[in-house]
Amino acid sequence: IAGITQAPTSQILAAGRRMTLRCTQDMRHNAMYWYRQDLGLGLRLIHYSNTAGTTGKGEVPDGYSVSRANTDDFPLTLASAVPSQTSVYFCASSDGSFRGNTQYFGPGTRLTVL
Amino acid sequence: DQQVKQNSPSLSVQEGRISILNCDYTNSMFDYFLWYKKYPAEGPTFLISISSIKDKNEDGRFTVFLNKSAKHLSLHIVPSQPGDSAVYFCALYSWGKLQFGAGTQVVVTP
Repeated sequence: IAGITQAPTSQILAAGRRMTLRCTQDMRHNAMYWYRQDLGLGLRLIHYSNTAGTTGKGEVPDGYSVSRANTDDFPLTLASAVPSQTSVYFCASSDGSFRGNTQYFGPGTRLTVL
Repeated sequence: DQQVKQNSPSLSVQEGRISILNCDYTNSMFDYFLWYKKYPAEGPTFLISISSIKDKNEDGRFTVFLNKSAKHLSLHIVPSQPGDSAVYFCALYSWGKLQFGAGTQVVVTP
């Protein structure tokens, strides 16, 4: 069982380009999340999905979009990348049961926007 | 304005001694409190949690304490081991989402 996989592992991107970060989970979790991690700021929620077909905005959604066509996949798209989107991006999932919303994280994607 | 604060960005502790990590929050709406551990180039992993109706939860070498009146959460690791060297995030749960602190880098020295 792989848990959560993310692709690519890292990417260098020119400003203005479009980029999709991929996330797939095999735990059949209902809820999925995208975070960005920046030094001194911890992990900040970008977008989330409580179940397939629904999405919601997190703390820092501007410049990002998501879709949830099925249970397993939750891609994050940067329509026109800017240097401030340079960060490490983590995808996470949870089964939605009330145990403090324990979330399971992927290994992350390191994105650099030049 | 950050609602979850970890004011110590780093902590160095000798192997075998106690590590104490602190987390303060400003809003009383949180009803579950978690700690995550993160190694370099890996995603965070869940470590331990506590419900808002409790003040202590213990799991092996890890104990989490909650002081709701002070809006303060702490994690005790005893004894500290070299494998505990990592970044630790507190995370507070409310309305289906987690809010994370900035993290504390723990280094356990021989």
